[in-house]
Amino acid sequence: EPEVTQTPSHQVTQMGQEVILRCVPISNHLYFYWYRQILGQKVEFLVSFYNNEISEKSEIFDDQFSVERPDGSNFTLKIRSTKLEDSAMYFCASSESGRRGKETQYFGPGTRLLVL
Amino acid sequence: ILNVEQSPQSLHVQEGDSTNFTCSFPSSNFYALHWYRWETAKSPEALFVMTLNGDEKKKGRISATLNTKEGYSYLYIKGSQPEDSATYLCARGGATNKLIFGTGTLLAVQP
Repeated sequence: EPEVTQTPSHQVTQMGQEVILRCVPISNHLYFYWYRQILGQKVEFLVSFYNNEISEKSEIFDDQFSVERPDGSNFTLKIRSTKLEDSAMYFCASSESGRRGKETQYFGPGTRLLVL
Repeated sequence: ILNVEQSPQSLHVQEGDSTNFTCSFPSSNFYALHWYRWETAKSPEALFVMTLNGDEKKKGRISATLNTKEGYSYLYIKGSQPEDSATYLCARGGATNKLIFGTGTLLAVQP
């Protein structure tokens, strides 16, 4: 069964460093998402991406964050200058289409980011 | 801001017990309610997408109901097994495609 994959599974970085989290969505899917879960809190939406551009972004997704689909298979989240509060589990998800919240989103296993 | 809440936060049951938990959400401008099952170190697994008031969906021993008028959904597990131990997440889908998640219910099934 097709699945969303994410690398790395864990990343430790120093505050102020740049990190790139990578995802390979399901191959025929057109919509891509990043979510994150800070320990003990809810899973929260960061950004959605369709047709090579951002469809929607949350207040969390400020200028320090960017997303890219560089080669037709990978989908990346870059954090330019990490802060302690960026420590979280980051999930990538994809969906076949975007039927106004009704489409199943398939999640990857997450990347646990720890900023020291 | 749309608030999705789940209860209880955690639940411990014995193997063979049936159990249920609740997801509540604002009922206005409803589009869809998603249920996920999330085991540690694995991908959250999609269980159901529910869109219509009165919807009932079933997958093996797991079933869910939806009441959009009062803003709640129940998830039921019949005859819990140790492999059902996981966090069960609900999420509201809206006019855009973002999902708004609840805090989850952590289920532990003891053999």
